[in-house]
Amino acid sequence: KAGVTQTPRYLIKTRGQQVTLSCSPISGHRSVSWYQQTPGQGLQFLFEYFSETQRNKGNFPGRFSGRQFSNSRSEMNVSTLELGDSALYLCASSSWTSGSPEQYFGPGTRLTVT
Amino acid sequence: GIQVEQSPPDLILQEGANSTLRCNFSDSVNNLQWFHQNPWGQLINLFYIPSGTKQNGRLSATTVATERYSLLYISSSQTTDSGVYFCAVELTGNTPLVFGKGTRLSVIA
Repeated sequence: KAGVTQTPRYLIKTRGQQVTLSCSPISGHRSVSWYQQTPGQGLQFLFEYFSETQRNKGNFPGRFSGRQFSNSRSEMNVSTLELGDSALYLCASSSWTSGSPEQYFGPGTRLTVT
Repeated sequence: GIQVEQSPPDLILQEGANSTLRCNFSDSVNNLQWFHQNPWGQLINLFYIPSGTKQNGRLSATTVATERYSLLYISSSQTTDSGVYFCAVELTGNTPLVFGKGTRLSVIA
């Protein structure tokens, strides 16, 4: 089975722009979660989608949004980028139907805001 | 919210040495996972271990759920074991993973 894929892998944006990141989960996984990793704050939860519905949301401003499509692929969007948004964005998928909540992570998208 | 503390924060080992990494958590959990983050940032699943003991090659893990801690053992360490090891827990079935700050392991030849 193919793992979680994320595109693009690297991105450089200018302050004030917006960005969209994409995540394709493991086939059959219906839950997709997004995390932000920075040196100062560590790994922080952004949001989780399950069957196209946002099930959980972390403590991030409204500039961070996401969605999930019927094929379970997910996108997250950050509008009006700030320098502090520079981070590694990780996506994870899990299969609740297997009875195990184990999460599997993609390789991440490294976003640099200048 | 739930607190996850990992120790030690940094560890330097000679190749071939053994090590124990610890994860303490503040509440009962539904899920506990250990990850290794490689130099490119990918989180590699090591163990899904909400309770009990598991082994995979030179790595093993034990979670004592009643005492709210988990241990990751690395035996005969190799330079490729270097990186950051994270413990992450999930409080209930519908809550996100909460990560510890990690243990940065450096194995020197």
